[in-house]
Amino acid sequence: GAVVSQHPSRVICKSGTSVKIECRSLDFQATTMFWYRQFPKQSLMLMATSNEGSKATYEQGVEKDKFLINHASLTLSTLTVTSAHPEDSSFYICSASGLVTAWDTQYFGPGTRLTVL
Amino acid sequence: QKEVEQDPGPLSVPEGAIVSLNCTYSNSAFQYFMWYRQYSRKGPELLMYTYSSGNKEDGRFTAQVDKSSKYISLFIRDSQPSDSATYLCAMSGGGTSYGKLTFGQGTILTVHP
Repeated sequence: GAVVSQHPSRVICKSGTSVKIECRSLDFQATTMFWYRQFPKQSLMLMATSNEGSKATYEQGVEKDKFLINHASLTLSTLTVTSAHPEDSSFYICSASGLVTAWDTQYFGPGTRLTVL
Repeated sequence: QKEVEQDPGPLSVPEGAIVSLNCTYSNSAFQYFMWYRQYSRKGPELLMYTYSSGNKEDGRFTAQVDKSSKYISLFIRDSQPSDSATYLCAMSGGGTSYGKLTFGQGTILTVHP
């Protein structure tokens, strides 16, 4: 099956710093990538949808200036958490999709655990 | 009211039992239905997907959709300890929501030997 990787798997940073998380589709071209966050014992909440070469579409309530998303190529999308604060501590998961229909399967990365001190 | 409701459990069953996991939804636009399995500290893994009412079987897993009642189920037969995970239902619809998934809260399942 299709493989999606994320880097880093875990990051601890100080409050006020910025953190970049990479999401890569290893064996297919991802025209669309999705970014989710997941709090302990809760479900995945979609943050934004990004299409290669276009600006990301953010869900209501997600600050686009705080969560910068770049989808520069068909295999790489990055999420940068700017000026991170303890409340941004969460599990961030990306998924990648290779087609444009709702039928398409989203392949999920292993997630990145962010802890902001 | 959440668009997708899923009993969070936790659910604990003995090995070999039949497990039933359920979700209800309120958005009539949902057309595609999926079940994902998520192990602790890992990303979700797709188990089943379907778009029509009725049953779909894959090995020990059966997905059931009842669009008239807005209700979906996942059955696991002959459950194994390796099935212990969180199970998430997910749905998507057409139009501008193409490709976007709405997840249930997830049900924590433990299968004990």
